[in-house]
Amino acid sequence: AQTVTQSQPEMSVQEAETVTLSCTYDTSESNYYLFWYKQPPSRQMILVIRQEAYKQQNATENRFSVNFQKAAKSFSLKISDSQLGDTAMYFCAFMTLNAGNNRKLIWGLGTSLAVNP
Amino acid sequence: EAGVAQSPRYKIIEKRQSVAFWCNPISGHATLYWYQQILGQGPKLLIQFQNNGVVDDSQLPKDRFSAERLKGVDSTLKIQPAKLEDSAVYLCASSLPVRNTEAFFGQGTRLTVV
Repeated sequence: AQTVTQSQPEMSVQEAETVTLSCTYDTSESNYYLFWYKQPPSRQMILVIRQEAYKQQNATENRFSVNFQKAAKSFSLKISDSQLGDTAMYFCAFMTLNAGNNRKLIWGLGTSLAVNP
Repeated sequence: EAGVAQSPRYKIIEKRQSVAFWCNPISGHATLYWYQQILGQGPKLLIQFQNNGVVDDSQLPKDRFSAERLKGVDSTLKIQPAKLEDSAVYLCASSLPVRNTEAFFGQGTRLTVV
């Protein structure tokens, strides 16, 4: 079965510091897509960053970057220069195709990140 | 570009009552998802539409939940009758039917069943 595991239910970081959220997944596929979503208290799920498995280069989006280790099936998110607005739940998600060849997202349980002033 | 619209934002009902949620996806997005998110958990897919056809409803409790997407645009999710354990946030998302594109989410409807 394909699964996504986020082993850190809660984390905290001081403003302006760097924090890394971990995510591991299990799949037998060779080509797939990985995402990190952010869900602030307002509840709206927002895409932070995505990574195509066939790309060796780690994705970056401003202060957000990933460490994608395909062999280890690891996809961690690094947030640099943390800001108060980064306080949110962060979900790691893996996209695959289901039996009908339709896209399917598999979600981790999330990591609650608190950025402290 | 307008985002995914959902209504209502909040709903409180008594158990055994019925409730309906509405979602209007981003224009042109053929794929529409309904998720249930219980407090402290990740989203759980209830149903996925491709245009007006259902492509995955394996986790939809069909004895009480129903959903439709007439004309392949907006969608309605209904619960009848509601149970206490249905208390959750119901998220609607939409995407282009292309593999590497992300899903865009609405703000969700928080349902409380008392």
